[in-house]
Amino acid sequence: SQQGEEDPQALSIQEGENATMNCSYKTSINNLQWYRQNSGRGLVHLILIRSNEREKHSGRLRVTLDTSKKSSSLLITASRAADTASYFCATPDRGTGRRALTFGSGTRLQVQP
Amino acid sequence: EAGVTQFPSHSVIEKGQTVTLRCDPISGHDNLYWYRRVMGKEIKFLLHFVKESKQDESGMPNNRFLAERTGGTYSTLKVQPAELEDSGVYFCASSLQGAETGELFFGEGSRLTVL
Repeated sequence: SQQGEEDPQALSIQEGENATMNCSYKTSINNLQWYRQNSGRGLVHLILIRSNEREKHSGRLRVTLDTSKKSSSLLITASRAADTASYFCATPDRGTGRRALTFGSGTRLQVQP
Repeated sequence: EAGVTQFPSHSVIEKGQTVTLRCDPISGHDNLYWYRRVMGKEIKFLLHFVKESKQDESGMPNNRFLAERTGGTYSTLKVQPAELEDSGVYFCASSLQGAETGELFFGEGSRLTVL
């Protein structure tokens, strides 16, 4: 399986609700990043959390990192229709020495107005 | 400041033909990456340049794919001859510091359809 695996694969919520997406990874990391992709567009960086951090906030986004469980979560509070997109976690794969990011399949978030 | 630009945005070719995708990274970014997403699956790493040198090309699927970055500026990814399974969206990204310390900046992608 992949270095970064997002869960769930798809999520549908109503505007105003919170959305939580999870990510698991396998090897040791020095940071974990979350990206968003709107349909037909490129990926946009949302937030980076370092391995010595447990939680980070950016606007309506809250990211947690649990290195003991090799997992991270992305919480979007008070969701809006414009948050509809695919969300990916990504990590530099220290296990392979790769200096690029390894992505998973993403979580497709649909926010109903 | 201009972002990462990719050309063409969409290419439709016949099996056996050749296609060349181009990526212009953000000026000053030494790191340039190519990724591919096929059929809504995971975004797969293809290769990584540092300036004009191939740092890691372990993700290149086979020898039908050739990437270059002459002069350490723009990069091209050529597929020759194209096969049906090459269809997908090819993303280019660049970064100043590298993925171990910073974010990647992505282009809008080049959608390749092989018929």
